[in-house]
Amino acid sequence: DARVTQTPRHKVTEMGQEVTMRCQPILGHNTVFWYRQTMMQGLELLAYFRNRAPLDDSGMPKDRFSAEMPDATLATLKIQPSEPRDSAVYFCASVDRVAGNTIYFGEGSWLTVV
Amino acid sequence: DAKTTQPPSMDCAEGRAANLPCNHSTISGNEYVYWYRQIHSQGPQYIIHGLKNNETNEMASLIITEDRKSSTLILPHATLRDTAVYYCIVRVAGVKAAGNKLTFGGGTRVLVKP
Repeated sequence: DARVTQTPRHKVTEMGQEVTMRCQPILGHNTVFWYRQTMMQGLELLAYFRNRAPLDDSGMPKDRFSAEMPDATLATLKIQPSEPRDSAVYFCASVDRVAGNTIYFGEGSWLTVV
Repeated sequence: DAKTTQPPSMDCAEGRAANLPCNHSTISGNEYVYWYRQIHSQGPQYIIHGLKNNETNEMASLIITEDRKSSTLILPHATLRDTAVYYCIVRVAGVKAAGNKLTFGGGTRVLVKP
């Protein structure tokens, strides 16, 4: 059963530290999304890539967040320096263009910045 | 992408059908209706999608009105495990990158009761 894999599942870090979240999309999916979810804002799109190229990162705070896709099997989301307001669940998702462009989500990385 | 309107919450009796409404009066001709759900502490899960015809799969049925301005997701025999937030989303599907985004609203919080 193919699935999107995210690491770490849970992370607690101190304010000012660098945080890197990783995502392995489903094999063959060429579009990858990063979403953030908080109680106040719900699910927000941060950025997405197609064929490893960034297409839209307008939802992402540029001063501290960066997203990359160094190869087809790995997407990263980095926060440097982290702040308490970054505490959220970060979801990665990839697209199956064969199955009607259905988007499949990972289980999320739960980040707490203290 | 067109906006959707869903009731914030609804209760359903276990074993009965759950009918979840969604209004999307500004939907465009090339926009599909997608349904996702998010069970607590998990990533959003794809349920079903359709353009104008009614659709059915192993999880649910999707009924789209003839004018496409509204739709209903039907869970035929709700179980306690169907308790989740259900999101109705309309989006363009196709080869262009902009069509692949999923923009989430508030969804409907469904509570299945014994």
